Amino acid sequence: QSALTQPASVSGSPGQSITVSCTGTSSDVGAYDSVSWYQHHPGKAPKLMIYEVSNRPSGVSNRFSGSKSGNTASLTISGLQAEDEADYYCSSYRSSSTLYVFGTGTKVTVL
Amino acid sequence: QVQLQESGPGLVKPSQTLSLTCTVSGDSIRSGSYYWSWLRQPAGKGLEWIGRMYTSGSTNYNPSLKSRVTISVDTPKNQFSLKLSSVTAADTAVYYCARARPGLFDFDYWGQGTLVTVSS
Repeated sequence: QSALTQPASVSGSPGQSITVSCTGTSSDVGAYDSVSWYQHHPGKAPKLMIYEVSNRPSGVSNRFSGSKSGNTASLTISGLQAEDEADYYCSSYRSSSTLYVFGTGTKVTVL
Repeated sequence: QVQLQESGPGLVKPSQTLSLTCTVSGDSIRSGSYYWSWLRQPAGKGLEWIGRMYTSGSTNYNPSLKSRVTISVDTPKNQFSLKLSSVTAADTAVYYCARARPGLFDFDYWGQGTLVTVSS
């Protein structure tokens, strides 16, 4: 199964804004609004940050926002903080028996 | 607060069956309306969905693993389990259990993951 494509790494200075992209196809990201984003600090449980493209679960900072255009979804982190340094994964529903497809992952570094 | 915790052997021999258990606290597997799922992540690679079990007991599996996977539930213990048969080195990965929300196709709670190595 082919994964969604994310940049391997993105970096920014404290206070800046960064954007992580997630490119799929017309069978997943482009066709459905079931795009979610996860923050993963190594050794800890992944955390849901965005669901249904742009919705934040209760307790997630409003510095995190999501959007989608065509086959590409994006996660934006504004006011970058040291605690935001982690791996980020996107996920989408796929119209096949696979159901869930994930991105390749992006390491966000706070300089 | 919902919490999930994976447990099981960290080392499995090739051709044997990998068995893991996920213990759920803060929610009842049988009373809610969620999908209880397994995922994995090989070192240096992305996440892969393995399969899910609905509250009713119905299951769905990733086609690439379907012939080797079984997900089941132990209601009294509030646990669900993964069995993956005929393992090879390619099955070496960190295995996660997670709760998935119907219709939203996301995973709102995850375990910390457990590393399973396939080696003789």
